[in-house]
Amino acid sequence: GAVVSQHPSWVICKSGTSVKIECRSLDFQATTMFWYRQFPKQSLMLMATSNEGSKATYEQGVEKDKFLINHASLTLSTLTVTSAHPEDSSFYICSAPTIHEQFFGPGTRLTVL
Amino acid sequence: DQQVKQNSPSLSVQEGRISILNCDYTNSMFDYFLWYKKYPAEGPTFLISISSIKDKNEDGRFTVFLNKSAKHLSLHIVPSQPGDSAVYFCAASYGSGAGSYQLTFGKGTKLSVIP
Repeated sequence: GAVVSQHPSWVICKSGTSVKIECRSLDFQATTMFWYRQFPKQSLMLMATSNEGSKATYEQGVEKDKFLINHASLTLSTLTVTSAHPEDSSFYICSAPTIHEQFFGPGTRLTVL
Repeated sequence: DQQVKQNSPSLSVQEGRISILNCDYTNSMFDYFLWYKKYPAEGPTFLISISSIKDKNEDGRFTVFLNKSAKHLSLHIVPSQPGDSAVYFCAASYGSGAGSYQLTFGKGTKLSVIP
């Protein structure tokens, strides 16, 4: 099946720094990718839809200036958490759709100290 | 307001028995439903899906039932195996399939299959 990768798989950073997370579709092209966030024992919450060649669309309550999304190519989307704070610590997951289904990346565990 | 609800946070089942995971939704626009399995610190993996034009879809040990009038779906796993122990998420979308449309997830049900 199709494969989606994320890098890094985990990251620890200091408060106030920025962290970039990459999402790649390895064997297919994705004009759209989705970014989710999961808190412990909670649902996957859609943060934003990444669109190749245009601006990302953000869900209500998600700060677009804090969570910068760039869909640089048909196989790469990046999520940058700017000026990270401890409350941004979470598990971030991306997904990329094909015609038939969505494939998820393995996730990135972000811990902000 | 949560549009997809999984009211049981956890479920324990004996190996070999049937596991039934339930999911309710409130948005009548949803027309495509999916179940994902998730291990800790990993992304969800697709299990099975069903379109709103069907009431049942079967794939090996996994069967999904959809009751549109009740806005309820369930995932049956039979026989349950220890390797099935994971968190199961119900997800829903609307449009022509899940491929290009946003998914709304439930909170998940943690299934433990006891050997």
